[in-house]
Amino acid sequence: GAVVSQHPSRVICKSGTSVKIECRSLDFQATTMFWYRQFPKQSLMLMATSNEGSKATYEQGVEKDKFLINHASLTLSTLTVTSAHPEDSSFYICSASGRGGQPQHFGDGTRLSIL
Amino acid sequence: GENVEQHPSTLSVQEGDSAVIKCTYSDSASNYFPWYKQELGKGPQLIIDIRSNVGEKKDQRIAVTLNKTAKHFSLHITETQPEDSAVYFCAASSDYKLSFGAGTTVTVRA
Repeated sequence: GAVVSQHPSRVICKSGTSVKIECRSLDFQATTMFWYRQFPKQSLMLMATSNEGSKATYEQGVEKDKFLINHASLTLSTLTVTSAHPEDSSFYICSASGRGGQPQHFGDGTRLSIL
Repeated sequence: GENVEQHPSTLSVQEGDSAVIKCTYSDSASNYFPWYKQELGKGPQLIIDIRSNVGEKKDQRIAVTLNKTAKHFSLHITETQPEDSAVYFCAASSDYKLSFGAGTTVTVRA
């Protein structure tokens, strides 16, 4: 149980393109979803937290107009990287948790490469 | 905020030997401590977790110990196998957010 599916697994696109990443909880209701960014050989950096039907809460230094998060249902959250540039290239990972907050279950990440 | 330190950063063990990874945390309010295993190109996978009302938890070859007084917790992997090679992250939480350690790259030599 507790499966989180993330799609797509890899995206390569031109600078200026907007990219949408989906995160789905397949077998449980995700009260809270999280979006992380991970640079090579580094730990996970929390970008934002979203609760179903509410606006996302962004961590300090994360541009909310750059990284749009929507959590429209208890099983789906999306992250849209708007007008992506090469510096946005990274590994983006979502996680989801049910009622009670823990544990968090992670998707398999999206490798975003902006040319 | 919470600060989690993890050691060592790399660990190489002979197959069949044990591996131990240690973490310390700063926030005495933290009450949940998960461990994640991340393989190359994949997301982290929860392997074991412990809450502050428990001192030790074991699941087959994996065990976690928690010392609340000293604010440290450890992951123990016994009888290591090549498939245990991965990056391991500890984390601590007092609410819904996780604060991660920097990670330990474990290599099991055949």
